[in-house]
Amino acid sequence: QKEVEQNSGPLSVPEGAIASLNCTYSDRVSQSFFWYRQYSGKSPELIMSIYSNGDKEDGRFTAQLNKASQYVSLLIRDSQPSDSATYLCAVIGRGAQKLVFGQGTRLTINP
Amino acid sequence: DAGITQSPRHKVTETGTPVTLRCHQTENHRYMYWYRQDPGHGLRLIHYSYGVKDTDKGEVSDGYSVSRSKTEDFLLTLESATSSQTSVYFCAIQGATKNTEAFFGQGTRLTVV
Repeated sequence: QKEVEQNSGPLSVPEGAIASLNCTYSDRVSQSFFWYRQYSGKSPELIMSIYSNGDKEDGRFTAQLNKASQYVSLLIRDSQPSDSATYLCAVIGRGAQKLVFGQGTRLTINP
Repeated sequence: DAGITQSPRHKVTETGTPVTLRCHQTENHRYMYWYRQDPGHGLRLIHYSYGVKDTDKGEVSDGYSVSRSKTEDFLLTLESATSSQTSVYFCAIQGATKNTEAFFGQGTRLTVV
């Protein structure tokens, strides 16, 4: 079982709609969770981090964490064509500082 | 931008030759990582370091070794390059706590022919 799993997509969403990206992780004691965005040919950049159960909002982005279900999600409201990218979920466990990524979900926002 | 530089940015090498990629940081961050990125696989962890001379393996460490003799430099060596190691390699740095952002270098595109 992979440590971090995402649906690789592609996920296609119309402009202005809500895009929902999901991620599951296998280490029950994982403590830190991150969402990165990566444009084609570029390096990943951090969008959101979340450490406790519940929702965390930042502008059009909301991260949701459910540790009991080992599930973390990212919602993008009012999706824009500039949101088209690959979104990577990353997790750090309780032990060693090992930052592990999922395979990424490719998101396309259609005008 | 975080002070992290990868070199070289592009390299073509022949099968069986050793190759070393360099990651240099000016942030004095404790943690450094090497990933490879291939289509459909996201970022896969090769090796990581949690201090000078302290390193550990990631999920795809076979055929790779690393060294960190100084805080600022993390070297990745392909001992005998194979075509399966053709990939884009990213270095990342992270501060001392688990709740800090990891910053990425620009990536190195390596082609093994």
